[in-house]
Amino acid sequence: SQQGEEDPQALSIQEGENATMNCSYKTSINNLQWYRQNSGRGLVHLILIRSNEREKHSGRLRVTLDTSKKSSSLLITASRAADTASYFCATDYSGGSNYKLTFGKGTLLTVNP
Amino acid sequence: DSGVTQTPKHLITATGQRVTLRCSPRSGDLSVYWYQQSLDQGLQFLIQYYNGEERAKGNILERFSAQQFPDLHSELNLSSLELGDSALYFCASSVATGAWDTQYFGPGTRLTVL
Repeated sequence: SQQGEEDPQALSIQEGENATMNCSYKTSINNLQWYRQNSGRGLVHLILIRSNEREKHSGRLRVTLDTSKKSSSLLITASRAADTASYFCATDYSGGSNYKLTFGKGTLLTVNP
Repeated sequence: DSGVTQTPKHLITATGQRVTLRCSPRSGDLSVYWYQQSLDQGLQFLIQYYNGEERAKGNILERFSAQQFPDLHSELNLSSLELGDSALYFCASSVATGAWDTQYFGPGTRLTVL
């Protein structure tokens, strides 16, 4: 099963509003990453937060990580129509010698002009 | 543009056939990752190569195989294709192979099996 699970599955907001997406995961991680995917295109890396960090900012993005609850949130402030995309969280696997990312099924964000 | 290129963009083939997908990583990146994205399974990690050697394996079927060549480009071979193999196949690359390396994704190859 997927390591990360995003919530909600879909979110529709008006331009200028804030969008919050959540991600829950199951096992210990080294880091958690958020990616964006425009329809049918490749994923674009947004931000990486390490397991010893609690909050990170990048432009209009704010990511939080709560390792005790095994959850993360992505906040996009002052959203724009161009933010319309699917957003995925990806967690690495901290056990063993093989590193790989596991992606959730994503949140589809629609920002209406 | 991530700097990762994938060919072809679209591929339509029949069940039972074999296809090869190609990926060129960003200049300087040694790791290549392959992912499959479908509506029901989401984005699934298939396999990773680092500097020509297989490094990590995910949910890759035995009918699928991959390799990374000395020039660091990679190919994913899919054989005995089934309808359920229809999906977007992404390649990603990163500088090294650690947990802190950002993966840069290519535009993908859309495979349709009829």
